[in-house]
Amino acid sequence: DADVTQTPRNRITKTGKRIMLECSQTKGHDRMYWYRQDPGLGLRLIYYSFDVKDINKGEISDGYSVSRQAQAKFSLSLESAIPNQTALYFCATSDSGYQPQHFGDGTRLSIL
Amino acid sequence: GQQLNQSPQSMFIQEGEDVSMNCTSSSIFNTWLWYKQDPGEGPVLLIALYKAGELTSNGRLTAQFGITRKDSFLNISASIPSDVGIYFCAGQKGGADGLTFGKGTHLIIQP
Repeated sequence: DADVTQTPRNRITKTGKRIMLECSQTKGHDRMYWYRQDPGLGLRLIYYSFDVKDINKGEISDGYSVSRQAQAKFSLSLESAIPNQTALYFCATSDSGYQPQHFGDGTRLSIL
Repeated sequence: GQQLNQSPQSMFIQEGEDVSMNCTSSSIFNTWLWYKQDPGEGPVLLIALYKAGELTSNGRLTAQFGITRKDSFLNISASIPSDVGIYFCAGQKGGADGLTFGKGTHLIIQP
């Protein structure tokens, strides 16, 4: 079983819909992150969380919100999806300090 | 927002050749990481570097953390078909920060 699991793996939806992407981890890590990847670009940080009561904005948080329901679960929501949010979304986890981040296999989101 | 300058953007090489790619930044990072991404999968960590000047190997892969803390390079020796993929550098400024990524180097191995 994967250590970092993202659901769904693929999603096609329409402009204006509310969407939730979910991430769960079995690594026991405190820190969780959401990134977005666009074609030809590296990953860009959307939000991150160091524990259940901690939420921090990343580089491109506008249009997104997150919820850290438990140490192992971190959800990303698009309240009203727009086409330029079509992208690959990755969840990552890490232990404290400078420990490397480990990624899930991503959710491919298409907004029509 | 800042992204790291990663080059080359793509490489077309023959099996068995050595590969070199690098990443530069205008600002200092305290950690440099190299990831590989295969189609349909998330990035997988190859090498993590924590100290300026550090040279670290992982099998046929070698990476270095630049002395100025503004650059890093990755070498792959004697490339094989399974090395095909996209390689990303990533930097982290503080232990409480997310990662800043390069745009990736797409490695293609010609038969």
